[in-house]
Amino acid sequence: QQQVKQSPQSLIVQKGGISIINCAYENTAFDYFPWYQQFPGKGPALLIAIRPDVSEKKEGRFTISFNKSAKQFSLHIMDSQPGDSATYFCAANTQGAQKLVFGQGTRLTINP
Amino acid sequence: EPEVTQTPSHQVTQMGQEVILRCVPISNHLYFYWYRQILGQKVEFLVSFYNNEISEKSEIFDDQFSVERPDGSNFTLKIRSTKLEDSAMYFCASSVVRENEQFFGPGTRLTVL
Repeated sequence: QQQVKQSPQSLIVQKGGISIINCAYENTAFDYFPWYQQFPGKGPALLIAIRPDVSEKKEGRFTISFNKSAKQFSLHIMDSQPGDSATYFCAANTQGAQKLVFGQGTRLTINP
Repeated sequence: EPEVTQTPSHQVTQMGQEVILRCVPISNHLYFYWYRQILGQKVEFLVSFYNNEISEKSEIFDDQFSVERPDGSNFTLKIRSTKLEDSAMYFCASSVVRENEQFFGPGTRLTVL
């Protein structure tokens, strides 16, 4: 029940296309859903995060869509660029808890 | 921009040896964390630390592991007797308050031979 399931494992998108990564969770107590971006040899860096009181959050080319009833959330990268090539992790935690529960990660490759 | 730093970047050790991984969290942050990532796998929570004590830990964080804040800036993870399966990237993270975003360091790659 503590798991966050992420798909796909890997994704190849053409430059300028839309990259979509999906996550699903079981624990309805989760109330904070961040997305992290990780480049090889680096630590995860917070990209964007959402709380369940909104269904969408947009920051630049990055959008989180959140579906509370389906217990799913997704990351959309518009106008994908080669510099977006990285591994993306969704995560979740509950109010009062400190640990982030991470998804399995998606390796995104943007072809020029 | 303030950042979490970790040393060393790579540590090689023999099985059974003790290792200490070091982290300097962002200066005004109050919550500190250790995570690990086995090669090709997801990031896994180990432990969180607040007010000089462990506030939450996972089942991975057994008696072989300990954490300490020896002074006002460093935060350390000690593995008493390393096993082959401890080989992983270890990330330190910190946050201002519990509910806020966690900032990750660049990691220490631990290789146990």
